[in-house]
Amino acid sequence: DTAVSQTPKYLVTQMGNDKSIKCEQNLGHDTMYWYKQDSKKFLKIMFSYNNKELIINETVPNRFSPKSPDKAHLNLHINSLELGDSAVYFCASSRGTDGSYEQYFGPGTRLTVT
Amino acid sequence: SQQGEEDPQALSIQEGENATMNCSYKTSINNLQWYRQNSGRGLVHLILIRSNEREKHSGRLRVTLDTSKKSSSLLITASRAADTASYFCATVPSGSARQLTFGSGTQLTVLP
Repeated sequence: DTAVSQTPKYLVTQMGNDKSIKCEQNLGHDTMYWYKQDSKKFLKIMFSYNNKELIINETVPNRFSPKSPDKAHLNLHINSLELGDSAVYFCASSRGTDGSYEQYFGPGTRLTVT
Repeated sequence: SQQGEEDPQALSIQEGENATMNCSYKTSINNLQWYRQNSGRGLVHLILIRSNEREKHSGRLRVTLDTSKKSSSLLITASRAADTASYFCATVPSGSARQLTFGSGTQLTVLP
């Protein structure tokens, strides 16, 4: 069984569109994250949720809105897509919020904005 | 800002050789973690080493941590072609902001 899954795996869309990426974890973890990995493989945290509550919100444009309907799901909605949003987006989860536990990553969603 | 810096950026070795990757960081940490990323895949956790630990082993992996030098190393012994991947160190700072900050990664290629 896949521990952290994301859909879709690939997403190609035009500038100005709105899109969503879904993430689900079946590990029973309380904390979930969204990361962005750029073309140079640099990975940066975007958001973190603990039990459906936002606990980390890095300096991400407000066109990005995470939503956590329950602690097993954390979706990412992006409005008015821009060329610079092209990247691979990873969802992850962990047992706690204090950084003491390893994180489990999903397979990634490669977003291409044309 | 980027906390960890891996060195080298790329490493190419023959199967059976050992591979050593280094990570330097800037601020005091709670723990340091190493992850592997195969091409086109998500990251996989390898080892977590806490600030009061100096060395940890897991199978063919050995991680050291020198908090006085703010550096860590990952040694992979008897490398295999399947070890070809990008390796990232990630630090969790001391204090309240306990989030992972990743380095730039080392691309390891193991030639058969």
